[in-house]
Amino acid sequence: RKEVEQDPGPFNVPEGATVAFNCTYSNSASQSFFWYRQDCRKEPKLLMSVYSSGNEDGRFTAQLNRASQYISLLIRDSKLSDSATYLCVVNRPTGGFKTIFGAGTRLFVKA
Amino acid sequence: NAGVTQTPKFQVLKTGQSMTLQCAQDMNHNSMYWYRQDPGMGLRLIYYSASEGTTDKGEVPNGYNVSRLNKREFSLRLESAAPSQTSVYFCASTGGTTYNEQFFGPGTRLTVL
Repeated sequence: RKEVEQDPGPFNVPEGATVAFNCTYSNSASQSFFWYRQDCRKEPKLLMSVYSSGNEDGRFTAQLNRASQYISLLIRDSKLSDSATYLCVVNRPTGGFKTIFGAGTRLFVKA
Repeated sequence: NAGVTQTPKFQVLKTGQSMTLQCAQDMNHNSMYWYRQDPGMGLRLIYYSASEGTTDKGEVPNGYNVSRLNKREFSLRLESAAPSQTSVYFCASTGGTTYNEQFFGPGTRLTVL
């Protein structure tokens, strides 16, 4: 079992739809959590950090459930430009810390 | 402020050839990383450097060596390239705490024939 697992995708949604991505992590010592976005043939870039209380950035809402070891990303009013791969990322302490990337979920938003 | 830069952007090698991928960051970050990304596999850590003067193996270090030349630069060397090393290679850096995001370079697309 992978330490960070995501919905396999791809998700195909029409413009204006609401779409939710889920991610689970297996190590309870995990300390910080992120969603990154990766466009085709480009480098990953931070979309948002995920805080325990949940956080929102415009159309994007991230939630963390430490008890269930579950992270989610909700995208409202999807735009064509949201088409990308979304990576769930977890840091856990190891003396320093280790960063574990999920394999990603592909999103296609259609006109 | 260029962020993280990588050279070259593309490279084609023959089996057995060697090459060095260069990475530099201008954000005064302590930690730097080399990843490879293959279809369906996600990002896998090859080597990392938590601070200048230190390097450690990641998940898939075999066939690679690294050098942390100074705080800015972290290079990845393939001594004898193999077709299994065909991949996209990303360098990244971070301030070094668990709450810091990683900043990635644009990647190097390597094909080994």
